[in-house]
Amino acid sequence: GESVGLHLPTLSVQEGDNSIINCAYSNSASDYFIWYKQESGKGPQFIIDIRSNMDKRQGQRVTVLLNKTVKHLSLQIAATQPGDSAVYFCAEGPYGQNFVFGPGTRLSVLP
Amino acid sequence: DAGVTQSPTHLIKTRGQHVTLRCSPISGHKSVSWYQQVLGQGPQFIFQYYEKEERGRGNFPDRFSARQFPNYSSELNVNALLLGDSALYLCASSLRDGSSYEQYFGPGTRLTVT
Repeated sequence: GESVGLHLPTLSVQEGDNSIINCAYSNSASDYFIWYKQESGKGPQFIIDIRSNMDKRQGQRVTVLLNKTVKHLSLQIAATQPGDSAVYFCAEGPYGQNFVFGPGTRLSVLP
Repeated sequence: DAGVTQSPTHLIKTRGQHVTLRCSPISGHKSVSWYQQVLGQGPQFIFQYYEKEERGRGNFPDRFSARQFPNYSSELNVNALLLGDSALYLCASSLRDGSSYEQYFGPGTRLTVT
């Protein structure tokens, strides 16, 4: 499949460890944030979202943390699996409008 | 259920030519958005259509245009192609019913301009 990004920041983690992917956003008016996962040759896949009136939201094996004071978003993946290897994007925007995507982070899960 | 579908999968064009990319949203989804993803970067918003009307436009030149049909499918047109238009073009659909703004992306069309 095609490569999503060749020169992205890369996070390498051991299988079974927890992963933390960070994202800094720029627009103070953004009130909606999403994490996407993009595997090679595929479009971005929704992982989890969070509104600005929350600072934490949990899904299945994933947690998103939002710090509006420093405009920082993080995605935590518990017990990282080989299938989690992909490029992860954060996206921000006013709710109901279209999003600005971050540059992405490549997650590499080591056996 | 079928997800978002896009055609063609890959396309090679020459500078100055015109291209039309197609997208079929998930059944029941009335909103379609287009994004351009250059290699190594995140997707950039181009257009959003809802109920056949343009609801948003990103910072792209007028060479880029789009439309949405009564069946909610959509076309993205790019005229006078430049080398810099080479990218993965992604289509995303959503219900946009106020309860969720989750967008579902298609696999994209890889456009190469030579």
